[in-house]
Amino acid sequence: AQSVTQPDIHITVSEGASLELRCNYSYGATPYLFWYVQSPGQGLQLLLKYFSGDTLVQGIKGFEAEFKRSQSSFNLRKPSVHWSDAAEYFCALGFGNEKLTFGTGTRLTIIP
Amino acid sequence: NAGVMQNPRHLVRRRGQEARLRCSPMKGHSHVYWYRQLPEEGLKFMVYLQKENIIDESGMPKERFSAEFPKEGPSILRIQQVVRGDSAAYFCASSPGTGEVEQYFGPGTRLTVT
Repeated sequence: AQSVTQPDIHITVSEGASLELRCNYSYGATPYLFWYVQSPGQGLQLLLKYFSGDTLVQGIKGFEAEFKRSQSSFNLRKPSVHWSDAAEYFCALGFGNEKLTFGTGTRLTIIP
Repeated sequence: NAGVMQNPRHLVRRRGQEARLRCSPMKGHSHVYWYRQLPEEGLKFMVYLQKENIIDESGMPKERFSAEFPKEGPSILRIQQVVRGDSAAYFCASSPGTGEVEQYFGPGTRLTVT
């Protein structure tokens, strides 16, 4: 069965510091991979996606993610976080038009 | 191009009542997905529909829950005889179904059962 693991429930980072959020997946083939961000009380906004090709993908708001097949990982990174990045981040996998399977999320707190 | 629309945004129901949640996909999108988010949890898939067809309902509870996406009008998620455990945020997503496989999410309906 397919699954997504986000091992960090909560991360606290200083404003201006770098960020890496971890995501590991289990799937029979190479899935489509996504990172979404959710602000409190809001819906989900797509940050970036990986389908195939270049394993380093760029997204909105200065985020990037790297797909590593050997590690079954798709970690999200940002070189310098801003206070407005505080939110919940979800990694998800899918294939074609099928349902998305989400991780449990990582809550990001930014301290001044 | 308007995004995915969901209404109502907040819904309060007493135990035993019915809840009807509506989702209008983005223009040109023919695929609709419903997900449920329980407090402090990630999103769980419920059902995937195309116009007039249920494609995958593997995440739907067997009783009290139903979904439809008619030829005209929004998709409806219906919960009969609600219980406290149904309290959650229900999100709808849509995709064009061809080419792009990204799902675009609506703002959600927050259901509270009292």
